[in-house]
Amino acid sequence: ETGVTQTPRHLVMGMTNKKSLKCEQHLGHNAMYWYKQSAKKPLELMFVYNFKEQTENNSVPSRFSPECPNSSHLFLHLHTLQPEDSALYLCASSQVPSGGLNEQFFGPGTRLTVL
Amino acid sequence: AQTVTQSQPEMSVQEAETVTLSCTYDTSESDYYLFWYKQPPSRQMILVIRQEAYKQQNATENRFSVNFQKAAKSFSLKISDSQLGDAAMYFCAYRSGEGAQKLVFGQGTRLTINP
Repeated sequence: ETGVTQTPRHLVMGMTNKKSLKCEQHLGHNAMYWYKQSAKKPLELMFVYNFKEQTENNSVPSRFSPECPNSSHLFLHLHTLQPEDSALYLCASSQVPSGGLNEQFFGPGTRLTVL
Repeated sequence: AQTVTQSQPEMSVQEAETVTLSCTYDTSESDYYLFWYKQPPSRQMILVIRQEAYKQQNATENRFSVNFQKAAKSFSLKISDSQLGDAAMYFCAYRSGEGAQKLVFGQGTRLTINP
């Protein structure tokens, strides 16, 4: 595997289900991110983890619970979601500090549908 | 807070022709970075080109170049000799200066290449 991988690629869940999204980066980076991409809206940053520590929570509802056990893996645990949470969830990684540029590399995303 | 605006939801161009995608941003900062990302259908988002605000020279990457107008807060992307593989969503993104990690994205422009 190379780059940033995400599983599953597609997920359909009911509002009462509990599921998890997984992200793995194979780039040796130390920062990881979750983004939400909804139709006709800009990508929204949800969470930032540096060296496994959460450094940013962009006012995300508690029904989204991130977990970063190490610098290579990032999870997003989902429970009691709403239909409006249906979106493409993108994971990204980067190296910090990077002398300024801090390019983020994205995974392919998980297409989530909440029924 | 910074904002990024892409005023063209959709654009189309004939193969081998040149197309320019528009992006404007709003910030009170003097040190920042600007990016163009490409998201092909069902594929990963990749970085196309980047520009440091302190550099006056416009960035170029093969057929891709930018027109960076700092005073006007404009950052357009020019694609020369368009190819079918250039068809994608293009996102303009802003990031504050060194050490910052949050990317602020525009709404995106869907580019279609006509053969």
